[in-house]
Amino acid sequence: TQLLEQSPQFLSIQEGENLTVYCNSSSVFSSLQWYRQEPGEGPVLLVTVVTGGEVKKLKRLTFQFGDARKDSSLHITAAQPGDTGLYLCAGTRWLTDSWGKLQFGAGTQVVVTP
Amino acid sequence: KAGVTQTPRYLIKTRGQQVTLSCSPISGHRSVSWYQQTPGQGLQFLFEYFSETQRNKGNFPGRFSGRQFSNSRSEMNVSTLELGDSALYLCASSTPTSGPSGEQFFGPGTRLTVL
Repeated sequence: TQLLEQSPQFLSIQEGENLTVYCNSSSVFSSLQWYRQEPGEGPVLLVTVVTGGEVKKLKRLTFQFGDARKDSSLHITAAQPGDTGLYLCAGTRWLTDSWGKLQFGAGTQVVVTP
Repeated sequence: KAGVTQTPRYLIKTRGQQVTLSCSPISGHRSVSWYQQTPGQGLQFLFEYFSETQRNKGNFPGRFSGRQFSNSRSEMNVSTLELGDSALYLCASSTPTSGPSGEQFFGPGTRLTVL
């Protein structure tokens, strides 16, 4: 059982559409990170959110950390084919995990077709 | 700054053999963590080393072991390989921060296939 539940598992959209990926847990996290992974490669860090209620924007990507630090979301505006990949949320649990131990969600496979 | 490097990138072994994987962290990073990624289980934490000491261990059998050297480079070893050990093994490096962020940076992984 994964501590972080991601939904949906799979998203297929057309270029120009918007999408949202969710990451939920019953545990409180010190921080949550979002990664994107392409086949045969390691995950690439997109963002880290630390403060409850925090919203971070990176170009067309918007990340939100829930007020209670138990959930997060990733929103992509006007998706492009280059956004295709496996999106993973990961985090360290408050007072439980050291910063060297990440709990991962199962991932959301996003496919953006031209 | 060079990223995390892992060698080899691909390995094919047979059941019962042992294997050693290597990871060089980003310069200045003293923490190295290892993860196993499989289609069924996703990314699972194996262990974490900091200043040559194992700080955390995941829920894996004793066949999985690791170590860290004084230059922060790390190796992990899997003995008596089983078919289920086929996976992408990922190494991540990080550095202590004053806050809880603990961002980790991943290498490209070693793809291990056990026949």
